[in-house]
Amino acid sequence: GAVVSQHPSRVICKSGTSVKIECRSLDFQATTMFWYRQFPKQSLMLMATSNEGSKATYEQGVEKDKFLINHASLTLSTLTVTSAHPEDSSFYICSARGAYYNEQFFGPGTRLTVL
Amino acid sequence: ELKVEQNPLFLSMQEGKNYTIYCNYSTTSDRLYWYRQDPGKSLESLFVLLSNGAVKQEGRLMASLDTKARLSTLHITAAVHDLSATYFCAVDGPGYALNFGKGTSLLVTP
Repeated sequence: GAVVSQHPSRVICKSGTSVKIECRSLDFQATTMFWYRQFPKQSLMLMATSNEGSKATYEQGVEKDKFLINHASLTLSTLTVTSAHPEDSSFYICSARGAYYNEQFFGPGTRLTVL
Repeated sequence: ELKVEQNPLFLSMQEGKNYTIYCNYSTTSDRLYWYRQDPGKSLESLFVLLSNGAVKQEGRLMASLDTKARLSTLHITAAVHDLSATYFCAVDGPGYALNFGKGTSLLVTP
């Protein structure tokens, strides 16, 4: 399968700061990228869907001004958590889907801890 | 709203035993996915089921899809400790975003 990377894999920050997470498709062009959030012992919840060159579509209940998503190229999407608070601490996982694939490919995840 | 229900949510089984995890979903879909997640890790793709009647096997795991019943099963044969993990099924939603079940936490004991 295709490879998706995420950076950083782990980040600890102070409350009120902003954190940027990068998601890259390494060997294919991702027409669509997805951002999921997973709290401990829970399932993955979709936060937003982004298509290259257009605004992200956010799920109900996800604050678009707090979770800024940019999909500037066919291989890169970024998620910026602005003014992070402890309740934003979670495991953030991106995935990418290319035009010629029947499935999404998941990144290794980013564990965010806000102190 | 698309709902995906897995059962059981927790499963403790002895090595060598067989068991089945069930995944029901609420709307029509021809695609269903099974993933494995180890603690602290992301998802590992196990099976992609693309049509009614699809059956796929890999090692001790076999997955099947019945789109008419909106049901997929993940069958574990002769379980071994290395299979201990959380297993998720997922179905395509609008725009191919995935809707996940709550996951089945599997523990295989000696």
